[in-house]
Amino acid sequence: AQSVAQPEDQVNVAEGNPLTVKCTYSVSGNPYLFWYVQYPNRGLQFLLKYITGDNLVKGSYGFEAEFNKSQTSFHLKKPSALVSDSALYFCAVAGANNLFFGTGTRLTVIP
Amino acid sequence: SQTIHQWPATLVQPVGSPLSLECTVEGTSNPNLYWYRQAAGRGLQLLFYSVGIGQISSEVPQNLSASRPQDRQFILSSKKLLLSDSGFYLCASTWGSAEQYFGPGTRLTVT
Repeated sequence: AQSVAQPEDQVNVAEGNPLTVKCTYSVSGNPYLFWYVQYPNRGLQFLLKYITGDNLVKGSYGFEAEFNKSQTSFHLKKPSALVSDSALYFCAVAGANNLFFGTGTRLTVIP
Repeated sequence: SQTIHQWPATLVQPVGSPLSLECTVEGTSNPNLYWYRQAAGRGLQLLFYSVGIGQISSEVPQNLSASRPQDRQFILSSKKLLLSDSGFYLCASTWGSAEQYFGPGTRLTVT
């Protein structure tokens, strides 16, 4: 069965510092992995995906994610955090007809 | 590109009353459609998904039901709401790729 885990409920980072939001996955076969962001009272917005190819995937708003097969991880990163990046972040893995989402990590960027 | 509409945006209903939430998709045909519920601003619970007109798969047994009367219309219903049905309901769509795109959501409060 496909699943992802987000080990941190909350991540705090100072504005201008690099940020990392962690995600590990468990799949049978090759994983299709995704990151989404959710602002308060809004739907989820697609940030980026890994299907195949380069392990470093670049997405929207300056975010990127690194696929690491040996560590079964797909961590979301940004070199310099903005206050406006404060939101809820979800990692997801594709199943046959659906995505399986993690429990979410709340990122707070402190001015 | 796809655009997903959901209405109403907010809804307050008494316990025992019926429910109808609507989702429509523009910019694509024959999409897969999904209903999720999000409680307390955290994890997503998949409720239903549909791969075509009249084809509904239920992920969680409960007092909700879904219907897909047209290719780009997905409806979530209940005959009698429970307090536990309160939450943020999200409609999502995929077409031609694995990532899901989400609507703006409906905030349902059952009183």
